[in-house]
Amino acid sequence: DAGVIQSPRHEVTEMGQEVTLRCKPISGHNSLFWYRQTMMRGLELLIYFNNNVPIDDSGMPEDRFSAKMPNASFSTLKIQPSEPRDSAVYFCASRRDRGDEKLFFGSGTQLSVL
Amino acid sequence: AQSVTQPDIHITVSEGASLELRCNYSYGATPYLFWYVQSPGQGLQLLLKYFSGDTLVQGIKGFEAEFKRSQSSFNLRKPSVHWSDAAEYFCAVGKDTGRRALTFGSGTRLQVQP
Repeated sequence: DAGVIQSPRHEVTEMGQEVTLRCKPISGHNSLFWYRQTMMRGLELLIYFNNNVPIDDSGMPEDRFSAKMPNASFSTLKIQPSEPRDSAVYFCASRRDRGDEKLFFGSGTQLSVL
Repeated sequence: AQSVTQPDIHITVSEGASLELRCNYSYGATPYLFWYVQSPGQGLQLLLKYFSGDTLVQGIKGFEAEFKRSQSSFNLRKPSVHWSDAAEYFCAVGKDTGRRALTFGSGTRLQVQP
């Protein structure tokens, strides 16, 4: 299995631009999570989906952030417009909900907003 | 709501020495507890988890953790540290809303001296 795949690995953009981060969960996993990691705040849960449905988006910092999961094999996290304080590493993770709570993480997207 | 505290931001140990990383949690019910490791530039990898039963949990790479309900702790230990163990370690607790998402501590960075 290829694991959780995130793209791009690195993104550098200018303030005000739209940023789209992509995630392909492990096949057969029915829960998907987006986390943000910064030095100041550590690892924060932004949103998670179960069976493609958003369950909890209380961690999404503001309306500039949106996430979608149009099907079981793809999710996006979009920031529009981006700001320098959005600079962080964004992790996607997936899990199969069959009593095993093991979470598999992607390698992350390093976002820099200038 | 649950929370996780990792009181040590940074720890340095000598190779071959023993290691203990502290984790305290706040949770209103039986917690689901995890330790993850993040190597530089990588995603997070599960070391071990505790759901119920034996309070001493064995994980990968020679790590173990002990759940102590009376102290609300889940400290990670290793009897002899290897240079390759240098990484950041995150403790996490399962969220109370169906235990579907995790709340992470702020992480402890481990440095190993030769």
